[in-house]
Amino acid sequence: GQSLEQPSEVTAVEGAIVQINCTYQTSGFYGLSWYQQHDGGAPTFLSYNGLDGLEETGRFSSFLSRSDSYGYLLLQELQMKDSASYFCAVGNDYKLSFGAGTTVTVRA
Amino acid sequence: NAGVTQTPKFQVLKTGQSMTLQCAQDMNHEYMSWYRQDPGMGLRLIHYSVGAGITDQGEVPNGYNVSRSTTEDFPLRLLSAAPSQTSVYFCASSYSYPGRLSSYNSPLHFGNGTRLTVT
Repeated sequence: GQSLEQPSEVTAVEGAIVQINCTYQTSGFYGLSWYQQHDGGAPTFLSYNGLDGLEETGRFSSFLSRSDSYGYLLLQELQMKDSASYFCAVGNDYKLSFGAGTTVTVRA
Repeated sequence: NAGVTQTPKFQVLKTGQSMTLQCAQDMNHEYMSWYRQDPGMGLRLIHYSVGAGITDQGEVPNGYNVSRSTTEDFPLRLLSAAPSQTSVYFCASSYSYPGRLSSYNSPLHFGNGTRLTVT
């Protein structure tokens, strides 16, 4: 099976940088995905790392180290609208498993 | 495009009742799945389908049935509702396997969820 660990909560002020770590244990690893979910909404895809290294998409970046079974999501120039839950996810054999999620609260 | 449509948005059931949560997608996605979301536990996979006529169990399949007679629809059936099934249910779809993304694939697209309460 798969297991993922990520912090439950992070609080930061507007304009700050937040890093959400994710460690995983899985067999048949293909890549690490990140999803964002605003309160009461549907999860939406943010990024995917299939290879080691950093992927950048605007203010958000994601990193993967396959040898360490570790990745992170970096949120830069935090805005109030970034207050949400963030989930890392890994999968094999058509089963995508999610971590329990990290709630990011952005304060003015 | 409507994307992934789930109905109903809210439902209250009594213990022992049965019901079907509907999910339809108009993106011609082969892969469809059902997740439940409970506080502090993230999203847990109930069942998934890799194409019409093909379904398989996820992490927490007990108490739920699925079928996939068309590419577009993937209903989730609760056979005999229990209070432990109180949750928010999300349907999600993608072109193919969502754990390995490429130019031929896509991540999961989620519906807006069904909030189910079993009393």
